Amino acid sequence: SYELTQPPSVSVSPGQTARITCSGDALPKQYAYWYQQKPGQAPVLVIYKDSERPSGIPERFSGSSSGTTVTLTISGVQAEDEADYYCQSADSSGTPYWVFGGGTKLTVL
Amino acid sequence: EVQLVQSGAEVKKPGESLKISCKGSGYSFTNYWIGWVRQMPGKGLEWMGIIHPGDSDTTYSPSFQGQVTISADKSISTAYLQWRSLKASDTAMYYCARRAIFGVFITDAFDIWGQGTMVTVSS
Repeated sequence: SYELTQPPSVSVSPGQTARITCSGDALPKQYAYWYQQKPGQAPVLVIYKDSERPSGIPERFSGSSSGTTVTLTISGVQAEDEADYYCQSADSSGTPYWVFGGGTKLTVL
Repeated sequence: EVQLVQSGAEVKKPGESLKISCKGSGYSFTNYWIGWVRQMPGKGLEWMGIIHPGDSDTTYSPSFQGQVTISADKSISTAYLQWRSLKASDTAMYYCARRAIFGVFITDAFDIWGQGTMVTVSS
């Protein structure tokens, strides 16, 4: 099995850009996905296949990948973006295995 | 509307059995894998396993293999997560989630989530 590592917390002022990283040895070979989870709510998919945005997700959410690190970028952060963010990847080439990162708490100051 | 609706909160004693459910609607239930995810109080997301309701093909995370049973009844568009003997450490929120298909490509993302079922195990 493999692991995904995220920083526990990121803080940013409204209107600034937040970047949340996720590192894992398998990421050069596997896509990454990002979820937003607000308190008391189920997670919501905000980025799939490293950089694609599902319909209904604001354009300020974007994703990128470089080597063993993927990054979720939120441009022009709004107060409503304060949430926990989780990266996720999977290896479905053999016995399928999904893994989540530990999560990052985004605080909007 | 595409949705997954989970059964309600449960309060159980250690050693008791439990089966919680996840009913899909608004889409072809047998065409999409359903995964189960645990979230312990104040903690992160953990993948438990996944099932294809069309043929009941199931894979478990090594961390949960032998601890739970995942099943599905395609005739009523419902997936299940089951315990034979609960422990206090099973206290958590449990989510079901649909494996996403974008266009014609199946991905490893989960695009639709149930509202969660809170399971509390306490003597």
